[in-house]
Amino acid sequence: GNSVTQMEGPVTLSEEAFLTINCTYTATGYPSLFWYVQYPGEGLQLLLKATKADDKGSNKGFEATYRKETTSFHLEKGSVQVSDSAVYFCALILTGGGNKLTFGTGTQLKVEL
Amino acid sequence: DAGVTQSPTHLIKTRGQHVTLRCSPISGHKSVSWYQQVLGQGPQFIFQYYEKEERGRGNFPDRFSARQFPNYSSELNVNALLLGDSALYLCASSLVGRDHEQFFGPGTRLTVL
Repeated sequence: GNSVTQMEGPVTLSEEAFLTINCTYTATGYPSLFWYVQYPGEGLQLLLKATKADDKGSNKGFEATYRKETTSFHLEKGSVQVSDSAVYFCALILTGGGNKLTFGTGTQLKVEL
Repeated sequence: DAGVTQSPTHLIKTRGQHVTLRCSPISGHKSVSWYQQVLGQGPQFIFQYYEKEERGRGNFPDRFSARQFPNYSSELNVNALLLGDSALYLCASSLVGRDHEQFFGPGTRLTVL
């Protein structure tokens, strides 16, 4: 079946530190990959996506590269801010597989001054 | 433009009761999906509907059902509630054929006592 594995949190960083959140996937077909962010008390917001191998998704200073050879889609940001504190979810959807997103368990990020 | 809206925001039920959750998609979006997010976990796919028909179903018991109305809004029904049904229920909408661009509502927090 399809699955997404994320590094466990919480991840605690100082403001302006470099962020990496690891994500690897298993898929029976050819997936598109996503990072969603969930702020406290809110729903999910799409942060970035990549639909084919070697694509780089980017948004708000975050970026992730679709690596087919390592089945990975690690999230990175060069300098985090306190406002980036949230839970981050890696997800996949299979091409032609309908609307079903498969999510990882989420990684909580805490950024301190 | 209004995003995906869900109601109610919170509700508390007791075991064995029935609950109905409601979702209004973004204007023009005809596809609606439902997800269950248990505390500390990633969302799990429950259903997808478009054109008032079920197009996908996750691994949930028959106690869970849904429907879509002519205006593309949707209801999720859960019968014979169990403690384990306590979760955040998320609705997502998208244009048909644009599964890579799902927009999530803020969710309904269901607590079963």
